[in-house]
Amino acid sequence: RKEVEQDPGPFNVPEGATVAFNCTYSNSASQSFFWYRQDCRKEPKLLMSVYSSGNEDGRFTAQLNRASQYISLLIRDSKLSDSATYLCVVNMLTGRRALTFGSGTRLQVQP
Amino acid sequence: DGGITQSPKYLFRKEGQNVTLSCEQNLNHDAMYWYRQDPGQGLRLIYYSQIVNDFQKGDIAEGYSVSREKKESFPLTVTSAQKNPTAFYLCARRPLPYEQYFGPGTRLTVT
Repeated sequence: RKEVEQDPGPFNVPEGATVAFNCTYSNSASQSFFWYRQDCRKEPKLLMSVYSSGNEDGRFTAQLNRASQYISLLIRDSKLSDSATYLCVVNMLTGRRALTFGSGTRLQVQP
Repeated sequence: DGGITQSPKYLFRKEGQNVTLSCEQNLNHDAMYWYRQDPGQGLRLIYYSQIVNDFQKGDIAEGYSVSREKKESFPLTVTSAQKNPTAFYLCARRPLPYEQYFGPGTRLTVT
């Protein structure tokens, strides 16, 4: 079983749509959580951290359910520029503190 | 940029040759990481360093070597022992105990 699992997609949605991505992680000791965005042939860029209370940044909302080991990302009012691959990422706060990445969910927003 | 530079952007080598990828950061951060990404897959950790003159193996260190003689530099050598070296290589810095920021990456093609 992969440590971080995501639906690979692609999710094809029209402009203005609301889309949700889900992610599950297997290590209950994981302590910090992120969504990164990766454009084609570019490096991943931090989109947002995910907090237990849930957090919002403009059109983006992230949720964490520690009991179910589940993370979500909601994008409202999708823009063409949102087309990218979204990576679910978890981190241990002990030891090497390396990030563990999901394989990513590809989003294509269509006009 | 994310405060971290990688060069070159594209690199082509013949099988059997060692090649060194550069990673430099100018933000005085202690922790640096090397990841590898293959098409359709998440990033995998090769090596990491949390302090000058010290580094540790990640999950896929075989066929790779690193050095950390200066805080700002963390070069990665892909040796001829690496069986599948063609990949996208990403270097990251970690300013806090949590998120990481990536350089633009080096695409290595070995034929």
